[in-house]
Amino acid sequence: GAGVSQSPSNKVTEKGKDVELRCDPISGHTALYWYRQSLGQGLEFLIYFQGNSAPDKSGLPSDRFSAERTGGSVSTLTIQRTQQEDSAVYLCASISIAGEKNHEQYFGPGTRLTVT
Amino acid sequence: AQSVSQHNHHVILSEAASLELGCNYSYGGTVNLFWYVQYPGQHLQLLLKYFSGDPLVKGIKGFEAEFIKSKFSFNLRKPSVQWSDTAEYFCAVNADDKIIFGKGTRLHILP
Repeated sequence: GAGVSQSPSNKVTEKGKDVELRCDPISGHTALYWYRQSLGQGLEFLIYFQGNSAPDKSGLPSDRFSAERTGGSVSTLTIQRTQQEDSAVYLCASISIAGEKNHEQYFGPGTRLTVT
Repeated sequence: AQSVSQHNHHVILSEAASLELGCNYSYGGTVNLFWYVQYPGQHLQLLLKYFSGDPLVKGIKGFEAEFIKSKFSFNLRKPSVQWSDTAEYFCAVNADDKIIFGKGTRLHILP
């Protein structure tokens, strides 16, 4: 089956504009994560969705960042009033929590965001 | 709060050398541990994982890792590296369903 997909693959935006990044997880995966990957910073946890539970937003760096997951499937990460330090690759991962694949994350290709 | 430390940021080895990449985590409860690899231009992919049982875990491509609970460590090893192992390696911990990654280690293998 299809893996995790993300769109757009690349996004260049001007400072101060809002952007929306989309993640389509693997069908049936109940958990979804967003990470930010910057050079030298590794993968920075942003937010985690699990089923119908309230999301864990503890990694969001500021109130300019928000995310939602509609219908337990597709997720959108929104960055308002983008700043140059928001430039990074934004990665989405989904997880199967059943069976031997328990908690193995499947990553999407990422969205490379450049704020000019 | 849980955290993951990878001690080596950049490692350069010659082919056939032995590899050990350090990973320590901070969390007092039960953890699941992972190593992921990102080859140049590719997605992150799972190398190996530990959930329970034998603390020595075998993964793909000849990699293995040992979970030492008393040291809060999960070091990655490979007895003889190849040029194709050039990549970035990430240690990750699942604690309370939140998966946290280390900052990664860039491994460069000289042919």
